[in-house]
Amino acid sequence: DAKTTQPPSMDCAEGRAANLPCNHSTISGNEYVYWYRQIHSQGPQYIIHGLKNNETNEMASLIITEDRKSSTLILPHATLRDTAVYYCIVRVAVDSSYKLIFGSGTRLLVRP
Amino acid sequence: KAGVTQTPRYLIKTRGQQVTLSCSPISGHRSVSWYQQTPGQGLQFLFEYFSETQRNKGNFPGRFSGRQFSNSRSEMNVSTLELGDSALYLCASSPVTGTYEQYFGPGTRLTVT
Repeated sequence: DAKTTQPPSMDCAEGRAANLPCNHSTISGNEYVYWYRQIHSQGPQYIIHGLKNNETNEMASLIITEDRKSSTLILPHATLRDTAVYYCIVRVAVDSSYKLIFGSGTRLLVRP
Repeated sequence: KAGVTQTPRYLIKTRGQQVTLSCSPISGHRSVSWYQQTPGQGLQFLFEYFSETQRNKGNFPGRFSGRQFSNSRSEMNVSTLELGDSALYLCASSPVTGTYEQYFGPGTRLTVT
């Protein structure tokens, strides 16, 4: 079962910041939070990941709360091409490896 | 670098048949994972291969199997197809196992009639 909960849908205006929340209250101390997105009819695309500290790359910023029970993905200046389903995922350790368990995701609609 | 490629892109099969899907990872990537995506169940992990060995397996029946070759290319096989196996099958590669900065292919759309 997925260890994350996300709102099913959100929208934002083009050019504004999109803030996508995620709850992962049962996360363990060494489990990473990953974000992927899936644009219609394409394979998922990696966005960013983090453990404790906030992270930023060319696509987005990831803010993780101090207790690690929730996080927020920030797209600073959303464009129409950012319309997609966004998945917040906890990487789960299994034996000597790991796997990603995808939840239902948030469908983000960026409005013109 | 070329991305992850999957063949075929579309496939129609009949119940009871078997099917083999192919995935070529990004050059230099040694880990290949497979996922099934359906409208009802979403994205579900099938299995991961690394250095020709299955490292992880999801909760799927034994009809679903896979393998990885020495060049890291991978195949998955589904035997005795059922209507519920209709789905988008996605392959993802990463340089090593565990990093999970995965790069996904476009998928194979399988329709079982």
